[in-house]
Amino acid sequence: SQQGEEDPQALSIQEGENATMNCSYKTSINNLQWYRQNSGRGLVHLILIRSNEREKHSGRLRVTLDTSKKSSSLLITASRAADTASYFCATAFYGNNRLAFGKGNQVVVIP
Amino acid sequence: DVKVTQSSRYLVKRTGEKVFLECVQDMDHENMFWYRQDPGLGLRLIYFSYDVKMKEKGDIPEGYSVSREKKERFSLILESASTNQTSMYLCASSLRGTGFPEAFFGQGTRLTVV
Repeated sequence: SQQGEEDPQALSIQEGENATMNCSYKTSINNLQWYRQNSGRGLVHLILIRSNEREKHSGRLRVTLDTSKKSSSLLITASRAADTASYFCATAFYGNNRLAFGKGNQVVVIP
Repeated sequence: DVKVTQSSRYLVKRTGEKVFLECVQDMDHENMFWYRQDPGLGLRLIYFSYDVKMKEKGDIPEGYSVSREKKERFSLILESASTNQTSMYLCASSLRGTGFPEAFFGQGTRLTVV
């Protein structure tokens, strides 16, 4: 099954720095979504970008989508300790009533 | 706020037991999903349902079954629990739309089979 794949897998940064994560996928998508998971908890939806969009912002989050390269990036600006979490990209494919998740990207923000 | 509630946060069961994991959502969502999450493997879809009494297999349905008798409730059943089913189980729900909308997740059930 097609899945999003995040890169890098783990990231450790100082508070105030920016964190960037990438996600690649293999086939045409309807949309791509990013989720956050705090340790041992459920996932929380962060942002959705449709296949005809190239960039989207939500607070300190910026998502880009390059359908020609089949990749997306999530940028968290001015990171905070509370941003420490795992981040997952998920892709929704045409004609497929499900989300396919990547393996996740662990981000640690050091105060 | 959408709420997806899983019946247990932690569960310990014995090998061979029949295990029921319950999930309830309160936003009248058509779609409901069961995923399992394992270190290094991400989230893998077990089963999903897009309507009452409807179900479809996900990527790893073996050893599991599901039941959706009411729109708000989606149950995952381990017919005969095995140690390799020790995992974090996540339930999610979403509206059914032309594009796939955001999914709302429960808090997860960490199941240990001994």
